[in-house]
Amino acid sequence: NAGVTQTPKFQVLKTGQSMTLQCAQDMNHNSMYWYRQDPGMGLRLIYYSASEGTTDKGEVPNGYNVSRLNKREFSLRLESAAPSQTSVYFCASSGRGGVETQYFGPGTRLLVL
Amino acid sequence: EDQVTQSPEALRLQEGESSSLNCSYTVSGLRGLFWYRQDPGKGPEFLFTLYSAGEEKEKERLKATLTKKESFLHITAPKPEDSATYLCAVSSGSARQLTFGSGTQLTVLP
Repeated sequence: NAGVTQTPKFQVLKTGQSMTLQCAQDMNHNSMYWYRQDPGMGLRLIYYSASEGTTDKGEVPNGYNVSRLNKREFSLRLESAAPSQTSVYFCASSGRGGVETQYFGPGTRLLVL
Repeated sequence: EDQVTQSPEALRLQEGESSSLNCSYTVSGLRGLFWYRQDPGKGPEFLFTLYSAGEEKEKERLKATLTKKESFLHITAPKPEDSATYLCAVSSGSARQLTFGSGTQLTVLP
């Protein structure tokens, strides 16, 4: 079991460029999440998908879009990157229901110039 | 709005010097409190979930406790390999969203 995988590991973009961050999980989890982590601010939820076919906004959704491609895959898209989106992005997944433990991927480090 | 505050921001210990990390929280109806460990350049690694006041959980040199207002992560006789950032998070309401604290960066010196 690979758990949660993310690609790419590192990316440099110029302001205005677009890109998609990919995430996949092999734990048969229903729910998937995208977070960003900035120094001194902790992890903040961008979007989540409670189940296949549904997505909802988190705390900081502006400038991002998501797609729940199937049960395994959840992508995050930046349509027009801005320097404020320089961050480390983590994908997570959780299963079953109730109070669900989230399991995280290794992260994507994004630098927007 | 849920709030989580972790203290101290950074802690340096000598190997074998026991201590505690604090996580204070404000939520409307706690469903669970989570502790994660994060090594530099890696994703958070799950450690514990606590559900109700008075609950305790242990794993090797780590012991997590929970009250109605805060949680403590006790580290007994730490080793250099325990050096990491420890994150606390709470879930409430829908239970699908976690609110994280900013973390405590622990350094254990040999």
